[in-house]
Amino acid sequence: AQSVTQPDIHITVSEGASLELRCNYSYGATPYLFWYVQSPGQGLQLLLKYFSGDTLVQGIKGFEAEFKRSQSSFNLRKPSVHWSDAAEYFCAVGESSGNTGKLIFGQGTTLQVKP
Amino acid sequence: GAGVSQTPSNKVTEKGKYVELRCDPISGHTALYWYRQSLGQGPEFLIYFQGTGAADDSGLPNDRFFAVRPEGSVSTLKIQRTERGDSAVYLCASSLNTVVGSPLHFGNGTRLTVT
Repeated sequence: AQSVTQPDIHITVSEGASLELRCNYSYGATPYLFWYVQSPGQGLQLLLKYFSGDTLVQGIKGFEAEFKRSQSSFNLRKPSVHWSDAAEYFCAVGESSGNTGKLIFGQGTTLQVKP
Repeated sequence: GAGVSQTPSNKVTEKGKYVELRCDPISGHTALYWYRQSLGQGPEFLIYFQGTGAADDSGLPNDRFFAVRPEGSVSTLKIQRTERGDSAVYLCASSLNTVVGSPLHFGNGTRLTVT
């Protein structure tokens, strides 16, 4: 069965510092991977996605993620964090069987940004 | 244009009561998904519709949960004989189609509290 693990429940970084949020997945074939962000009182917003091709994908708000098949990882990075990046971040894997778009989400990582 | 709209935003009900949660997807989106997000967890898939039919209801926890989408647009998630364990945020998402990777657009959710 597919699964997604986000090892860090909570991370605190200083504004301007770099950020890396970890995501590990379990999936038998080539996964379809996503990062979503959820700000308080708002719906989930797609940051970026990986299907195939270049393993480094760029997203919105200056985020990027790198797919590493050998490590079963899809870590999210940002070179310089802004206070407005404080939110909850979810990694997700998409099922490829049955041609559906349903997602399996990780537990989430809460990002706190210190001034 | 308008995003995914969910009503009500908050619902408090007593144990044993019946509730209905409504989702109004983005116009033209054929696929509609329901997820449930418990406190401190990532969203969990419940059911998805392609058009009017429930294409995959494998995530519904038991037969107290039911969802409809009679005209292929608005969907209603129905919960009978609510239990305290049903308390969660219920998220609705829509996408243009069900091809894997077709971006999901999430609503802000309905927070259900069963007392």
